[in-house]
Amino acid sequence: QVQLQESGPRLVKPSETLSLTCTVSGGSISSYYWTWIRQPPGKGLEWIGYIYYSGSINYNPSLKSRVTISVDTSKNQFSLKLTSVTAADTAVYYCARAWYSSNWNYYYGMDVWGQGTTVTVSS
Amino acid sequence: EIVLTQSPGTLSLSPGERATLSCRASQSVSSNHLAWYQQKPGQAPRLLIYGASTRATGIPDRFSGSGSGADFTLTISRLEPEDFAVYYCQHYDSSPPWMFGQGTRVEIK
Repeated sequence: QVQLQESGPRLVKPSETLSLTCTVSGGSISSYYWTWIRQPPGKGLEWIGYIYYSGSINYNPSLKSRVTISVDTSKNQFSLKLTSVTAADTAVYYCARAWYSSNWNYYYGMDVWGQGTTVTVSS
Repeated sequence: EIVLTQSPGTLSLSPGERATLSCRASQSVSSNHLAWYQQKPGQAPRLLIYGASTRATGIPDRFSGSGSGADFTLTISRLEPEDFAVYYCQHYDSSPPWMFGQGTRVEIK
């Protein structure tokens, strides 16, 4: 059974870089779209971006200038970096697994999620 | 970018009642690309439905999805106590972003 676990600093100072890692256990990081989503306190879900195991990447245009997602297949991990953070970046950050079949043009949803980690931006 | 609008914002119902949640896209989308999630307080979202109408593994059959074009619906046939939560629709797009609706809260009346 595949499980995801986010890790990283819970407190980040304004203007600094938020860095999180998602460790995939119980399965390989090969295949699938490895995704980051965040949820500000009391608000809805915001898709940040994904990395496909082969390295293909897509970001939310609203965050694209500040976001980097990378994958380390040898460690079965993928990571998120968000630069120049402000209080508006305070949120619960989730990693999740998604699958899309280009052969069938079919999206199977985000079926495995990490428990989420709360990151606060504050001095 | 495609915007998803969910309605109502809050649905107040009693256990045993039927819940009907709407997700409307700003333009026609493929039903193959539409998913629904349930989120309870303090928990990560859980995938309920993908392909607009296919239940994810382990999801009870009281949950059903339907729709096409720009209008999609999540129906909970008879609400169980554990179904009171927030529900999100989400659209996959080959051109980012992947959008979520703003959510519908199903609360106990």
